[in-house]
Amino acid sequence: KQEVTQIPAALSVPEGENLVLNCSFTDSAIYNLQWFRQDPGKGLTSLLLIQSSQREQTSGRLNASLDKSSGRSTLYIAASQPGDSATYLCAVGDQAGTALIFGKGTTLSVSS
Amino acid sequence: NAGVMQNPRHLVRRRGQEARLRCSPMKGHSHVYWYRQLPEEGLKFMVYLQKENIIDESGMPKERFSAEFPKEGPSILRIQQVVRGDSAAYFCASSPPGPGYEQYFGPGTRLTVT
Repeated sequence: KQEVTQIPAALSVPEGENLVLNCSFTDSAIYNLQWFRQDPGKGLTSLLLIQSSQREQTSGRLNASLDKSSGRSTLYIAASQPGDSATYLCAVGDQAGTALIFGKGTTLSVSS
Repeated sequence: NAGVMQNPRHLVRRRGQEARLRCSPMKGHSHVYWYRQLPEEGLKFMVYLQKENIIDESGMPKERFSAEFPKEGPSILRIQQVVRGDSAAYFCASSPPGPGYEQYFGPGTRLTVT
């Protein structure tokens, strides 16, 4: 049974710092991996989707990498801003490419 | 292009009542997924539907919960005889036809059972 773990559970950094969020999964037979952002009391905003055949995806200050063989993904945020404060969720697409299996998230706080 | 729409955004039900949650997918999307986020827990997959078909309901509780996605109209997640443990945020996502596409999430319905 696929399990997704995100470390750390919470992270506080000063504005301007570069940071890395980690995601690990137990079964490497995944279809894809998606990173989301969730603000308190709100829905999920999709940040990046990486297909199983890809190694990384970039969008603006965000870069996500995928290493299927080791069961890991990282989300790199460059030059963090207070507006980046949110919970970041990693989700793995199962083998059929249907259900997403979520980690519990990393709650990021960026102070000005 | 409007995003995924869910209503109501907030729903309060007394124990034993029925809850109906609605989800309208993005235009052009024919696949709908329902997830539940319990307090202090991660999001859990419940059910995956296409128009008029349930494709995967492996995450649905065996009793009291049902889902449909009719030919016309929104997808409905129905919870009968709600209990306090059903209090959670329920999210709907949609994607284009085919596996592996990006899933786009709605704002969620927050169900409170009193």
